[in-house]
Amino acid sequence: DSGVTQTPKHLITATGQRVTLRCSPRSGDLSVYWYQQSLDQGLQFLIQYYNGEERAKGNILERFSAQQFPDLHSELNLSSLELGDSALYFCASSYMEGFNNEQFFGPGTRLTVL
Amino acid sequence: AQKVTQAQTEISVVEKEDVTLDCVYETRDTTYYLFWYKQPPSGELVFLIRRNSFDEQNEISGRYSWNFQKSTSSFNFTITASQVVDSAVYFCALSEAKETSGSRLTFGEGTQLTVNP
Repeated sequence: DSGVTQTPKHLITATGQRVTLRCSPRSGDLSVYWYQQSLDQGLQFLIQYYNGEERAKGNILERFSAQQFPDLHSELNLSSLELGDSALYFCASSYMEGFNNEQFFGPGTRLTVL
Repeated sequence: AQKVTQAQTEISVVEKEDVTLDCVYETRDTTYYLFWYKQPPSGELVFLIRRNSFDEQNEISGRYSWNFQKSTSSFNFTITASQVVDSAVYFCALSEAKETSGSRLTFGEGTQLTVNP
């Protein structure tokens, strides 16, 4: 158990809908990352927050947005869902924001878009 | 741009065999970190090791060992006396010290290791 929690574990929804994925980092960690794992794209970095501020952005679609709240939990919002958004979404956390920090991953949220 | 290549898509071995998972990376940075993660069938990603670009010493942790060679841009992972519980997908990842990249991990495609009894 990494100490990172993600809810829900599974999510099934329809195309065009909007969903919110939630992540609580390990106690004391200030940085949160979101990754998407799909069969065709592999594991891809989406976005990073550090202490409430956006720090880095990857190939995150405009339909996706995220934020980190004052209590450090983070939410990833996915809207106008398409079939291709079906994937495993991971949240990770680290104490600091630097490139040298190991990231600890949550169990993931499996999103299925029908 | 940074890139990580794990050329071995799948490896199948019999228990107690040694197995090496290959990882080759590309980066223009002189300062970076390399990581290995394990993804068992349950799906979570488990951190295994972190290595910085200035430390080329090999590392051993129990049955696991890592060989980092800057000259060939490789960071290979060896499991000695493999066990069925080692069956998982293993990912190699790279993190660069560029301000614009934050601290994102760039992952390889992963290697599916199956250890048969």
